[in-house]
Amino acid sequence: SQTIHQWPATLVQPVGSPLSLECTVEGTSNPNLYWYRQAAGRGLQLLFYSVGIGQISSEVPQNLSASRPQDRQFILSSKKLLLSDSGFYLCAWNSGFSYNEQFFGPGTRLTVL
Amino acid sequence: AQSVSQHNHHVILSEAASLELGCNYSYGGTVNLFWYVQYPGQHLQLLLKYFSGDPLVKGIKGFEAEFIKSKFSFNLRKPSVQWSDTAEYFCAVNRAGSARQLTFGSGTQLTVLP
Repeated sequence: SQTIHQWPATLVQPVGSPLSLECTVEGTSNPNLYWYRQAAGRGLQLLFYSVGIGQISSEVPQNLSASRPQDRQFILSSKKLLLSDSGFYLCAWNSGFSYNEQFFGPGTRLTVL
Repeated sequence: AQSVSQHNHHVILSEAASLELGCNYSYGGTVNLFWYVQYPGQHLQLLLKYFSGDPLVKGIKGFEAEFIKSKFSFNLRKPSVQWSDTAEYFCAVNRAGSARQLTFGSGTQLTVLP
């Protein structure tokens, strides 16, 4: 069966520090991968998605970037965090062959101080 | 661009009460519709989905939703809620044939009082 992992689970970082959040998927190949940010009362906002290695689409211009160095690895990064980057970050995947529902990871709670 | 509206931000019910959470979307083409639920401390998980066919969709834990195309709605219902249904509920839409993104509503926090 497929599983999706995210780490770390929680992170507290100072303003101006770098960020690297990792997401990996097991039990499937060539998934579509997604990064979302969940803010209280505002639902989930899609940040990036990827349909293959090295292929990244950005949905919202911002201080963040994403990379997909391997088929089942998706990384969310920032060179310098802002206070407004605080939030709950969710990684998700779905099958690249059938346009089905997305499956979500446990999320990372990021607090920027 | 498509958008999703969930008009109820916080709903408080007593156990055994009936539930209906509203979801409206704006997109004129063919859509796939989803309800996700996030229980406290757990992953976001799929409650039910509609792709085609019978507009009344049954999901897990006694939930159902009805797709009314003319109203661009996909309301979630449950005849009798339980304390364990306390969670945040999200409606989501994507365009049929596109895996590129889900557009989510802002969510509805449901609190069920014992």
